[in-house]
Amino acid sequence: QITLKESGPTLVKPTQTLTLTCTFSGFSLTNNGVGVGWIRQPPGKALEWLALIYWNDDKRYSPSLKKRVTITKDTSKNHVVLTMTNMDPVDTATYYCAHSFYDSSPYFDYWGQGTLVTVSS
Amino acid sequence: QSVLTQPPSMSGAPGQRVTISCSGSSSNIGAGYDVHWYQQLPGTAPKLLISGNIRRPSGVPDRFSGSQSGTSASLTITGLQAEDEADYYCQSYDSSLVFGTGTKVTVL
Repeated sequence: QITLKESGPTLVKPTQTLTLTCTFSGFSLTNNGVGVGWIRQPPGKALEWLALIYWNDDKRYSPSLKKRVTITKDTSKNHVVLTMTNMDPVDTATYYCAHSFYDSSPYFDYWGQGTLVTVSS
Repeated sequence: QSVLTQPPSMSGAPGQRVTISCSGSSSNIGAGYDVHWYQQLPGTAPKLLISGNIRRPSGVPDRFSGSQSGTSASLTITGLQAEDEADYYCQSYDSSLVFGTGTKVTVL
């Protein structure tokens, strides 16, 4: 049974760096083809893909956020960490992590429950 | 400003058929990249509904079906039920992963 859960601060100040952790179980990020991604959703708005990391440490980023976002993995802890610098109120959103596979058009078959991050002074 | 455009809202009575479009271009759907669909019930995380244009994961009712043609894809709900009231998103690839603008389906 695959599960994922996001954790991190619920409130960050503008200009601060956000660090979110995705803790997963039921699969290993050392297995061929496996990936974990981050997706966010501002209140009342659409989903936005942020980043994806694969078993072989191949990392993919949204072009619009590439300068601010870093994704890393710790396979010994079953963790994937997302950092986003220079947070702004427009970054207020629910952040999801999700399981994926290496593919020409990857998709997300298991999702965490999401964590709401508010950016405010 | 997503490259995948969906109608903002659609509605139907129970039992009716609803088809949600996902309009792309020659750099995403038209280039042969698969389209995937997600259902997001109110207050919950998205759930994979269709992968690879037409594949239903285990547990997804067969009233949900997907199709793709040219630069567009569609999700059809045949026999709309009250529990289908949700937001629906398409997703594909266009030099990076992209989600559609989302469609809110209301069951009348």
